[in-house]
Amino acid sequence: SQTIHQWPATLVQPVGSPLSLECTVEGTSNPNLYWYRQAAGRGLQLLFYSVGIGQISSEVPQNLSASRPQDRQFILSSKKLLLSDSGFYLCAWTPGFNQPQHFGDGTRLSIL
Amino acid sequence: GENVEQHPSTLSVQEGDSAVIKCTYSDSASNYFPWYKQELGKGPQLIIDIRSNVGEKKDQRIAVTLNKTAKHFSLHITETQPEDSAVYFCAVTAVNDYKLSFGAGTTVTVRA
Repeated sequence: SQTIHQWPATLVQPVGSPLSLECTVEGTSNPNLYWYRQAAGRGLQLLFYSVGIGQISSEVPQNLSASRPQDRQFILSSKKLLLSDSGFYLCAWTPGFNQPQHFGDGTRLSIL
Repeated sequence: GENVEQHPSTLSVQEGDSAVIKCTYSDSASNYFPWYKQELGKGPQLIIDIRSNVGEKKDQRIAVTLNKTAKHFSLHITETQPEDSAVYFCAVTAVNDYKLSFGAGTTVTVRA
């Protein structure tokens, strides 16, 4: 069966520090991959998605970037974190069009 | 992207009663409608989904109905239990679309 892993589960970082969040999927190949951000008590905001290695689509201009160095690995990065980057970051995957997206358990990011 | 409206934003029900959440969408080409349940501190989990060629789907105490003409679909939870307390999100996507458009979420509280 397929599983999705995100780490770390929680992270506290100072303003201006770099960020790297990792997501990996097991048990499937060539998944579509997604990064979302969820502010406290709010809905899901799509940040990036990828339909293949090296292919990244950005949904919202921001301080973050994404990369997909391997088929089942998706990384969310920042060179310098802002206070507004705080939130709950979720990775998701789907096998293709019109298929359910399956979410990881998220990373709670707090910026001090 | 697709505009998805979800109502109500909060819902409090007595244990054993039914809960109904409704979503409306704008794009008549939409053809896949999943529902997610998100517990505190976790990622959203798919609980049921429906495609446009089906009007209703049921899985134990959960059911989803779809009215394509009116462009709305609803989640029905019967015989609610305390473990049904969570945030529920509806979502919509169209053929050949990589992305899901999410509703803003409904916080359901089941009172014992």
